[in-house]
Amino acid sequence: AQSVTQLGSHVSVSEGALVLLRCNYSSSVPPYLFWYVQYPNQGLQLLLKYTTGATLVKGINGFEAEFKKSETSFHLTKPSAHMSDAAEYFCAVNSGNTPLVFGKGTRLSVIA
Amino acid sequence: EPEVTQTPSHQVTQMGQEVILRCVPISNHLYFYWYRQILGQKVEFLVSFYNNEISEKSEIFDDQFSVERPDGSNFTLKIRSTKLEDSAMYFCASSNIAGGQETQYFGPGTRLLVL
Repeated sequence: AQSVTQLGSHVSVSEGALVLLRCNYSSSVPPYLFWYVQYPNQGLQLLLKYTTGATLVKGINGFEAEFKKSETSFHLTKPSAHMSDAAEYFCAVNSGNTPLVFGKGTRLSVIA
Repeated sequence: EPEVTQTPSHQVTQMGQEVILRCVPISNHLYFYWYRQILGQKVEFLVSFYNNEISEKSEIFDDQFSVERPDGSNFTLKIRSTKLEDSAMYFCASSNIAGGQETQYFGPGTRLLVL
């Protein structure tokens, strides 16, 4: 079975500061890893994904994540937070044809 | 840009009533999914659907739930007799191809409240 743990249900950063949202996964087979973002009253939007190949993945809106197999992690980062980044962020894992398994989500607040 | 749409955005119902949640997946997609998120909990998989039949379902998806693609555009989730614990946000998703690396595109969700 696969699982995802997101450390911190709520993260607050100042505008212009580094954003770091943590995600650790458990999988007995090579995982595919995803980060989704949910803005208020909207659906889940894909930020980025790792399937194979380069372990540093770049996504939309300046976000990136690095797959670290040895640490079973897929942390999401952005060098400089913007007010518009305030949202709920979900890490998810699957493999092959299995359904997505999500973490509980991390709410990001950006303080002016 | 094509998107998944869901109606209604909010639904309030009495316990024991039937509800139908509707989704319009992206038009050329072939694989459809329902997920739900109980307040404060994880987004959980309910069911996947391909070629007019269920391809996988979770243990949450019991006999009270059913899915249907009644025409070429809609994909519905029916809860026959709602329970208090069915209160949740329900997300529909679709993808072009099956397979873990294929992106699932999500709708905005339907918030269901069972009283």
